[in-house]
Amino acid sequence: NAGVTQTPKFQVLKTGQSMTLQCAQDMNHEYMSWYRQDPGMGLRLIHYSVGAGITDQGEVPNGYNVSRSTTEDFPLRLLSAAPSQTSVYFCASSRFPGQGAYEQFFGPGTRLTVL
Amino acid sequence: TQLLEQSPQFLSIQEGENLTVYCNSSSVFSSLQWYRQEPGEGPVLLVTVVTGGEVKKLKRLTFQFGDARKDSSLHITAAQPGDTGLYLCAGSAGGGADGLTFGKGTHLIIQP
Repeated sequence: NAGVTQTPKFQVLKTGQSMTLQCAQDMNHEYMSWYRQDPGMGLRLIHYSVGAGITDQGEVPNGYNVSRSTTEDFPLRLLSAAPSQTSVYFCASSRFPGQGAYEQFFGPGTRLTVL
Repeated sequence: TQLLEQSPQFLSIQEGENLTVYCNSSSVFSSLQWYRQEPGEGPVLLVTVVTGGEVKKLKRLTFQFGDARKDSSLHITAAQPGDTGLYLCAGSAGGGADGLTFGKGTHLIIQP
């Protein structure tokens, strides 16, 4: 049981390049999400999905696209990278325990630098 | 927009000391969670509190949810170097189906 896996772990892009950050989970969770973490800003939600075929925007969606064709995979696409997208990106897979809030299981992160 | 303010931002203490970190908001949350993050890794869920006034204990860690469900605290007794990390609180207004609101975190260092 690998939990949440993310690839790549590190990536350097030039301004204007595009790329896809991969995220996969093997816990059969319906809910998945992408966050970015910046110094002094905390974790901010980019996009989330409540199931295959369903996605929605979070707090900071501009410049990012997502799709959810399967329960397991939730890739994040940067359309035209900008230096402001330099950050650490975390994918999370979540389950609802019956009360309270979704329990988030985070991947190890992708550290992205845009030059 | 719901905001969560964490304090202190940084805390460095000696092994064996006690400490408390805080998570405050002007908004009411249906639940609050605490996560711990180590360098180079993703956050790991420690606890979820859902009822105003609720207290949960996890070994030497005690979590409390305020009566008005606007604030929470994390108390560590006899801190150990293994407690070192970034502690994040996260709130949800209605289960978190539309994502969690995270505080900026408290960087905790426990010196041997």
